[in-house]
Amino acid sequence: DAKTTQPTSMDCAEGRAANLPCNHSTISGNEYVYWYRQIHSQGPQYIIHGLKNNETNEMASLIITEDRKSSTLILPHATLRDTAVYYCIVRPDSSNTGKLIFGQGTTLQVKP
Amino acid sequence: NAGVTQTPKFQVLKTGQSMTLQCAQDMNHEYMSWYRQDPGMGLRLIHYSVGAGITDQGEVPNGYNVSRSTTEDFPLRLLSAAPSQTSVYFCASSYRNRGNNYGYTFGSGTRLTVV
Repeated sequence: DAKTTQPTSMDCAEGRAANLPCNHSTISGNEYVYWYRQIHSQGPQYIIHGLKNNETNEMASLIITEDRKSSTLILPHATLRDTAVYYCIVRPDSSNTGKLIFGQGTTLQVKP
Repeated sequence: NAGVTQTPKFQVLKTGQSMTLQCAQDMNHEYMSWYRQDPGMGLRLIHYSVGAGITDQGEVPNGYNVSRSTTEDFPLRLLSAAPSQTSVYFCASSYRNRGNNYGYTFGSGTRLTVV
C-alpha cells in the first residue's frame, strides 16, 4: 500500500494561502491522491482528488509533482473556518474495493 | 436528499451489552464503510461493503459484525460491548463515477461510551 507522510501541524494567517504538503513516494501509477478534512467532532469532508494533473475546485487546488511522489493542497485564502485536520490519502489498491485508509493528518490552525 | 444518516448520535452501554449502530444513505451509493475514531487519533476502517450482499473486513474488525441486505443500509453490530470500543463511529458511502474517481460522504458520527 502506498503510504503518505504529512507534517503533524501547521499554522496559517487568516486571508493567506495555506499550503499543505504530502509525500507519497511509493504511489503506484494507477493510484489517486485524495484530500479530506475533518473539522472538530464532525465527519470528514471530501475536498479534492487527482491522478497526475493539477486540479482545482471551489474549495482548493491540488498540485501533484511530475514524478507523483508528492503533492500540495492549497487553500487560496484561508479563513478561521478552515481550521481542521487535513488528511492526504492514496487509494490503497487497484481492485476498486472502495477502501480509504486514513493516516494521522495535518492539523491546520488558521490564526486571525 | 439527506446524505448519510447515522443513529443514534450518542449512546452509553454497559460492558457486555449488544447494540446496533444504524447507517442509511439515500444517494444510491455502491460503497459503504464503517470507521472508528479514538481521541486524538485518525480514522480506522472497521468493515466495508462494495455492494448489497458483499462485505469485508477492514483494519480493526474484531468485536463488530456487519451485513448489507440493501443498497441503502449498512448496520454495525457490537455483539458484546467492551470499554475498548468507546469511540466515535463514522459511516461513509461513495458512488463510483466513471474513471474510478469517487469521494466519500461521511455521516455526522455516533459517540459511543462503554462503561
